[in-house]
Amino acid sequence: EAGVAQSPRYKIIEKRQSVAFWCNPISGHATLYWYQQILGQGPKLLIQFQNNGVVDDSQLPKDRFSAERLKGVDSTLKIQPAKLEDSAVYLCASSHGTGANEQFFGPGTRLTVL
Amino acid sequence: KNQVEQSPQSLIILEGKNCTLQCNYTVSPFSNLRWYKQDTGRGPVSLTIMTFSENTKSNGRYTATLDADTKQSSLHITASQLSDSASYICVVRITGANNLFFGTGTRLTVIP
Repeated sequence: EAGVAQSPRYKIIEKRQSVAFWCNPISGHATLYWYQQILGQGPKLLIQFQNNGVVDDSQLPKDRFSAERLKGVDSTLKIQPAKLEDSAVYLCASSHGTGANEQFFGPGTRLTVL
Repeated sequence: KNQVEQSPQSLIILEGKNCTLQCNYTVSPFSNLRWYKQDTGRGPVSLTIMTFSENTKSNGRYTATLDADTKQSSLHITASQLSDSASYICVVRITGANNLFFGTGTRLTVIP
């Protein structure tokens, strides 16, 4: 089966600019996750969707980050305005359900903020 | 505080040699522990999953162990290959919740 798709793979922007990332999960996976992975660290959960509803966004910096999954399939993550410390890899993952279900990760989008 | 710590932070070994990566966790209540392999520029891929009652599980040249009493896990790689060069991340899940706790990973480099 096709894996989790993300685009773009790389993005370079200047601080205070806006940027958006796109994720297409594995077909049939109800749960979608966005993670931020800073160089040398493990991924940090930003937001989790169950279908088109938000399950957990407690670590999402809501003053500048937003995410949506309007039709319960694809998702977009937006940063507006970007800061230097937002430079990281943004990983999207999906799973069939929640709980012990394995999360399948996409290749990530590497964001560099100058 | 729920934490997952991995050691060493980085490791360089010769091709063909074995190595062991360590993961200590304080996550509770424990549900399961996964080891992920993350190649450079790629997303993490699950290698093994272990529940409370499992002590060891193998996936090819990868063998994971779990000691639920001491809250330690290890990942042993046998006869390393150049393609094993990657970051290995230990991830622990809490029972009854969606929370995953990620370690910072061990960066393994296999040299010829």
